[in-house]
Amino acid sequence: RKEVEQDPGPFNVPEGATVAFNCTYSNSASQSFFWYRQDCRKEPKLLMSVYSSGNEDGRFTAQLNRASQYISLLIRDSKLSDSATYLCVGTSNTGKLIFGQGTTLQVKP
Amino acid sequence: GAGVSQSPRYKVAKRGQDVALRCDPISGHVSLFWYQQALGQGPEFLTYFQNEAQLDKSGLPSDRFFAERPEGSVSTLKIQRTQQEDSAVYLCASSFFSRKGYQETQYFGPGTRLLVL
Repeated sequence: RKEVEQDPGPFNVPEGATVAFNCTYSNSASQSFFWYRQDCRKEPKLLMSVYSSGNEDGRFTAQLNRASQYISLLIRDSKLSDSATYLCVGTSNTGKLIFGQGTTLQVKP
Repeated sequence: GAGVSQSPRYKVAKRGQDVALRCDPISGHVSLFWYQQALGQGPEFLTYFQNEAQLDKSGLPSDRFFAERPEGSVSTLKIQRTQQEDSAVYLCASSFFSRKGYQETQYFGPGTRLLVL
């Protein structure tokens, strides 16, 4: 079993839709959590950190459930520019990032 | 200011060739990480430096992979006798500091796309 697992998709949604991504993690990837965004043929870029209390940044909301070892990302009012791969990331206690496979989002006009 | 830079951006190697990939981290960043990203997958950890000390090399897939950071800034990832399965994007990331229980943001370079024929 991979340390961080997420549905690779693709998720195809119309502009303006709300879309949710989920991922699960194992104990070895449970120090801190992030969502990274990766555009095609580009490097990953930090989208937001994930906290147990929830974290909102504009149209994006991230949530962590430690009891279920589950992380989510909600995108409201999807834009064409949101099309990308979203990487769910845990960390080990040494600081290394442990990435999920990534979920591909395609927002259509 | 300048971000993380990597060179070359693209490298084509014949099977059996040695390659060297360079990473210039953000100035002042203590921690440096190397990741390997295969097509359609998320990045996978290879190795981690704190200054010049290689603190974790558990992700290096074989003894053909070697990384160094002799002066605590620029790092080189060397792959000896390349194989086709080494074809991937090699990403370097740096952060101001990383320690147990605390994670600084890691900033990624553009990657080196390696193709082994």
